[in-house]
Amino acid sequence: EPEVTQTPSHQVTQMGQEVILRCVPISNHLYFYWYRQILGQKVEFLVSFYNNEISEKSEIFDDQFSVERPDGSNFTLKIRSTKLEDSAMYFCASSEWGGYTFGSGTRLTVV
Amino acid sequence: GENVEQHPSTLSVQEGDSAVIKCTYSDSASNYFPWYKQELGKGPQLIIDIRSNVGEKKDQRIAVTLNKTAKHFSLHITETQPEDSAVYFCAAKPLGSGNQFYFGTGTSLTVIP
Repeated sequence: EPEVTQTPSHQVTQMGQEVILRCVPISNHLYFYWYRQILGQKVEFLVSFYNNEISEKSEIFDDQFSVERPDGSNFTLKIRSTKLEDSAMYFCASSEWGGYTFGSGTRLTVV
Repeated sequence: GENVEQHPSTLSVQEGDSAVIKCTYSDSASNYFPWYKQELGKGPQLIIDIRSNVGEKKDQRIAVTLNKTAKHFSLHITETQPEDSAVYFCAAKPLGSGNQFYFGTGTSLTVIP
């Protein structure tokens, strides 16, 4: 069964550093997403991406965040100047329409 | 925006018993309601979904019911097995929200052998 692949599975970074989280969506999917889940809290929408541009973003997705699809297969989330409160599980997902397929997530720990 | 509430946060059942997880939503325009199962170390996996034009949907031991008037939907797992132990998330997608989902806080289900 096709999978969404995320790397790394765990990333530890110093506060103020930049991190890039990587995702390989399912190849024939058209919509791509990033969600995050702070420990014990809801899964929160960050951004959706369609046709090589952001289609929606939440209030969380401020200027420190950016997304890219650099080569037609990878989909990346960059967080500039990380803060302690950015520590969370970050999930990538892709879809044709309707239900998502999620990746296994990247646990980001900012110290 | 949409707000999805999910109860209970934790649920323990004996193997073979049924488990019910309930969610409410606030936006009457929501028209798609998926349920996800998340096992330890894995991402959420879609297990069943229901659209607003349907009141109930079944898939083997799993069923989902939707009450649009009351704005709540429930996941029912019958004849539970230890491998059903996981965190379950409900979600709602409002019409016009693009493809953004709003998730509940999750229910940690433990099936005791």
